[in-house]
Amino acid sequence: SQQGEEDPQALSIQEGENATMNCSYKTSINNLQWYRQNSGRGLVHLILIRSNEREKHSGRLRVTLDTSKKSSSLLITASRAADTASYFCAPIQGAQKLVFGQGTRLTINP
Amino acid sequence: GAVVSQHPSWVICKSGTSVKIECRSLDFQATTMFWYRQFPKQSLMLMATSNEGSKATYEQGVEKDKFLINHASLTLSTLTVTSAHPEDSSFYICSARREFYGYTFGSGTRLTVV
Repeated sequence: SQQGEEDPQALSIQEGENATMNCSYKTSINNLQWYRQNSGRGLVHLILIRSNEREKHSGRLRVTLDTSKKSSSLLITASRAADTASYFCAPIQGAQKLVFGQGTRLTINP
Repeated sequence: GAVVSQHPSWVICKSGTSVKIECRSLDFQATTMFWYRQFPKQSLMLMATSNEGSKATYEQGVEKDKFLINHASLTLSTLTVTSAHPEDSSFYICSARREFYGYTFGSGTRLTVV
């Protein structure tokens, strides 16, 4: 199993702005998943993008995947205070255990 | 669908006692579950993989005799922290893998050992 490395480690923006966070990984994948963790809570699955997809949308979320660069990005548009959380990516190859990097701590300021 | 229930959500125990945390998959069968611990402002650290009907697989550095894992059925895995000490205070999270659907996480258990 491999872990993704999120960048930046922390991001602070104003409410209404867009937030972009990136994920890099090392080896080939079947899919890549993004998770959100609110403080003191478990992880919530946000979106899954398969290795043959380049972009995927879900509500205010937009995920891109570039397998040639082994990287993914998560864009949250029109951010809200409720988006304040830590975000983790999980590159997946086959059935495996999930391991996580440090994540991106996103703070939305009112 | 794909809900994982973790109980209790928080627990305070005295040093030297044991604490059991339950992780249940409510609407699906999970042959594999995972246990993580998380210290404040840090990432999740995988502790072990729990396999139904067999012994758990522990990550390097995790004491198997201290963190007992039992996966007796397809919907329940338990983590028992034995002889707990203050340094075991942490946030414990379980996860279950559902074939073709991915991973679902419990809401976590805050353990405080006093």
